Amino acid sequence: AQSVTQLDSQVPVFEEAPVELRCNYSSSVSVYLFWYVQYPNQGLQLLLKYLSGSTLVKGINGFEAEFNKSQTSFHLRKPSVHISDTAEYFCADGLTFGKGTHLIIQP
Amino acid sequence: DVKVTQSSRYLVKRTGEKVFLECVQDMDHENMFWYRQDPGLGLRLIYFSYDVKMKEKGDIPEGYSVSREKKERFSLILESASTNQTSMYLCASTPSGGLRGDEQFFGPGTRLTVL
Repeated sequence: AQSVTQLDSQVPVFEEAPVELRCNYSSSVSVYLFWYVQYPNQGLQLLLKYLSGSTLVKGINGFEAEFNKSQTSFHLRKPSVHISDTAEYFCADGLTFGKGTHLIIQP
Repeated sequence: DVKVTQSSRYLVKRTGEKVFLECVQDMDHENMFWYRQDPGLGLRLIYFSYDVKMKEKGDIPEGYSVSREKKERFSLILESASTNQTSMYLCASTPSGGLRGDEQFFGPGTRLTVL
């Protein structure tokens, strides 16, 4: 069975600092990896996805992620965060979701 | 833009009641999904449907059923609500094709409280 592990339940970071949200997936024949964001009181929306091709994937709002097959990871990064990035972030492999990481931006 | 709507944002029901959660999508998507979201547990798949009148169990189907009589509408039914079904329920849809490889479009969620 597939599984997705988000290693941090909560990540506090200062505004304008870089951030990395970590995600590991269980090995599978094929992977379809996604990062979604959930702002307070809203549904999820797609940040970016990896299906194949280039291992560095760029998404909306300045986020990017790198697919690393040897480490079975798909970490999400942003070089400089803003208060508006405060949200819950979910990594997914197809229909299997991680438990989420709450990104807390401190002024 | 794809729009997925859910009939209620907040719902309060009593133990033992039959509860219907409705979801409608307006982009002719083939696949529709119901998840529940709980703090610290992420999203867990309850049921999904890949065509009208077709349904498949997800990871946690116990205590739930679904109905898809029309392509745009996917209903989640709690036959006899219990307090452990208090949760946020999210509906999603994807276009035709592989179930796992498409971006999912989510509704805003229904926060259900069972007293």
